[in-house]
Amino acid sequence: QVQLQESGPGLVKPSGTLSLTCAVSGGSISSSNWWSWVRQPPGKGLEWIGEIYHSGSTNYNPSLKSRVTISVDKSKNQFSLKLSSVTAADTAVYYCARVVIGGSGWYVDVWGKGTTVTVSS
Amino acid sequence: QSVLTQPPSVSGAPGQRVTISCTGSSSNIGAGYDVHWYQQLPGTAPKLLIYGNSNRPSGVPDRFSGSKSGTSASLAITGLQAEDEADYYCQSYDSSLSGAGFGGGTKLTVL
Repeated sequence: QVQLQESGPGLVKPSGTLSLTCAVSGGSISSSNWWSWVRQPPGKGLEWIGEIYHSGSTNYNPSLKSRVTISVDKSKNQFSLKLSSVTAADTAVYYCARVVIGGSGWYVDVWGKGTTVTVSS
Repeated sequence: QSVLTQPPSVSGAPGQRVTISCTGSSSNIGAGYDVHWYQQLPGTAPKLLIYGNSNRPSGVPDRFSGSKSGTSASLAITGLQAEDEADYYCQSYDSSLSGAGFGGGTKLTVL
């Protein structure tokens, strides 16, 4: 079955850029799924960041749109997140996820284990 | 501020039935978009529990059920077990986000 694994620095300086990659195994990133990033600040709920299709089409949360870039690398079967101008409010566990969009709406059927990113000097 | 509204906490004794509500608006549940539920055990990633309002993925016990009506949805858990103690999140597509909107999460305590 499809598995997702996040990787990237666990510590980012304020005003810097957070960069994470999600490796997809057990399936192709060129399937009919979208691929998404979701984050969870400490002790808080889930927040959708954005998503990408293998064609490169993207959708971003309006509250983060000016700072977010999600890209896909089909040759490596992975997709990535860049979040610029980070502050302490961006400290969170970041999950990559496989999205199903269809007759039953938009939902995540596969989640990565998550990676903790702390913004601090 | 979450897109969907859930009670912060619910509790019940083993064997009892509990429900968790999820209230939306005209840009998500009220617009006809389906509701989905996730279970997050302590220290782990969320797991899909219910999709399409009332469908269970393979492996999810039939003690878990979902329903939707108007601008709200509910998750019901019957025969409560200690292992059900977790955070539960509802989620729906939101047209104002052009993406997923989540509830703030409900912590279920098994007494």
